Amino acid sequence: KQEVTQIPAALSVPEGENLVLNCSFTDSAIYNLQWFRQDPGKGLTSLLLIQSSQREQTSGRLNASLDKSSGRSTLYIAASQPGDSATYLCAVTAGGFKTIFGAGTRLFVKA
Amino acid sequence: DAGVIQSPRHEVTEMGQEVTLRCKPISGHNSLFWYRQTMMRGLELLIYFNNNVPIDDSGMPEDRFSAKMPNASFSTLKIQPSEPRDSAVYFCASSFRDGSYEQYFGPGTRLTVT
Repeated sequence: KQEVTQIPAALSVPEGENLVLNCSFTDSAIYNLQWFRQDPGKGLTSLLLIQSSQREQTSGRLNASLDKSSGRSTLYIAASQPGDSATYLCAVTAGGFKTIFGAGTRLFVKA
Repeated sequence: DAGVIQSPRHEVTEMGQEVTLRCKPISGHNSLFWYRQTMMRGLELLIYFNNNVPIDDSGMPEDRFSAKMPNASFSTLKIQPSEPRDSAVYFCASSFRDGSYEQYFGPGTRLTVT
């Protein structure tokens, strides 16, 4: 059974700092891995999607990497801003569309 | 594109009442997912459809929950009878099986059962 773990559960950093959020999964037979952002009381916004054949994806200040063999993904946020404060969720989709979410990392960026 | 549309955005009902949540996926998407989010259990996949056909409903908590997708542009999630423990935010998401299967989420329906 696939399990997805995100570390840390919460993170508080000063503005401008570069940071890394971690996601690990137990079954490497995945189809893709998707990173989402969720603001309080809102829906999920897709940030980056990495196919199982890819190693990384980049969008602006965000970079996500995937190491299937070790069951790990990282989301790197460069030059963090107060507007980056949100919960970041990692989701793993296996064959057949079964999608499992991690519990998320709550990020607070202090001005 | 309007994105995934869900209605109602908020629903308050009494225990024992029937609740129907609605979802309109992004036009052209052929896969649809229903999720439930609670503080205790996080985001859980309830059921997903491909080309209007339910593929996996193993996440549906019990027989009180049912979901339908009568056509490519509409899906419902019904709870009958509702119980206080069903209180949660219910999300609908859709994707297109073009190879990426990137999921796009709706704003959610916050359900409160008293």
